[in-house]
Amino acid sequence: ETGVTQTPRHLVMGMTNKKSLKCEQHLGHNAMYWYKQSAKKPLELMFVYNFKEQTENNSVPSRFSPECPNSSHLFLHLHTLQPEDSALYLCASSQDGAGAVNEQFFGPGTRLTVL
Amino acid sequence: QKEVEQNSGPLSVPEGAIASLNCTYSDRGSQSFFWYRQYSGKSPELIMSIYSNGDKEDGRFTAQLNKASQYVSLLIRDSQPSDSATYLCAVFFMDMGRRALTFGSGTRLQVQP
Repeated sequence: ETGVTQTPRHLVMGMTNKKSLKCEQHLGHNAMYWYKQSAKKPLELMFVYNFKEQTENNSVPSRFSPECPNSSHLFLHLHTLQPEDSALYLCASSQDGAGAVNEQFFGPGTRLTVL
Repeated sequence: QKEVEQNSGPLSVPEGAIASLNCTYSDRGSQSFFWYRQYSGKSPELIMSIYSNGDKEDGRFTAQLNKASQYVSLLIRDSQPSDSATYLCAVFFMDMGRRALTFGSGTRLQVQP
C-alpha cells in the first residue's frame, strides 16, 4: 500500500441513510484532513486532526461527523445528508498540522452522490 | 478571510511553449506556498512547494515567489499535452491560532498538440 487510500471510491446514498467514508495513510504522517470539493468551487477544508486530536472544524454541519482513532486512520460519518452535499470528498495527510512546512498529500477521493 | 486568487482560464498554450500560471494571496504573513496539479476526475497531486522569495526549479517546473507583491507563479517549460490539467495554488495561513491550507479555485491549462 502506498500513500493515502480512501474507500469507497464512489457512494450513492439517500437522505435518510447513514454511511461512513474511510481514509488510511501509509506515510507515517501525524496530521490528517477532510476536504470537500464541489463543482466550480475551491477545495474547502472541513476537519483537521493533528496527533489524533481535532484541531479544526471549519463550521461543518453536524450531519458530518469525523473520527480519528489513530494517526493512520480517519473516518467521516455521514447521516441525513442533503443533495447539496454531493461532492468529491478528499482525505489528505501531512507530517504534522501545526508547522508551516505542511506538504499535504491527497487520497483519490470518494465521489458522493446524495439522492 | 484569507484569500487565494487564480485566473480560472482556460489558459491555452501550444506544445513546447512555456505556460505561466499566476496566483495572488491576501495575507502578508503567509510562509508556505504550494502548487498542485489536478487531472479531471482525479485528486490533487503536489508538484511544487516554495517557502522563500525567488525561484525554485524542479525539472520542467519553476515556482516563483514574491512575498512583497504577495504573488506566486508556476512556469512549465516545454509544455506537453499531458500537462493539460487544473493547477491549484495553495497558501498556508496562520491566523489567530488557526492553521490551514487555503486553495485557490484553480487555473485550467490546455496544451495544444
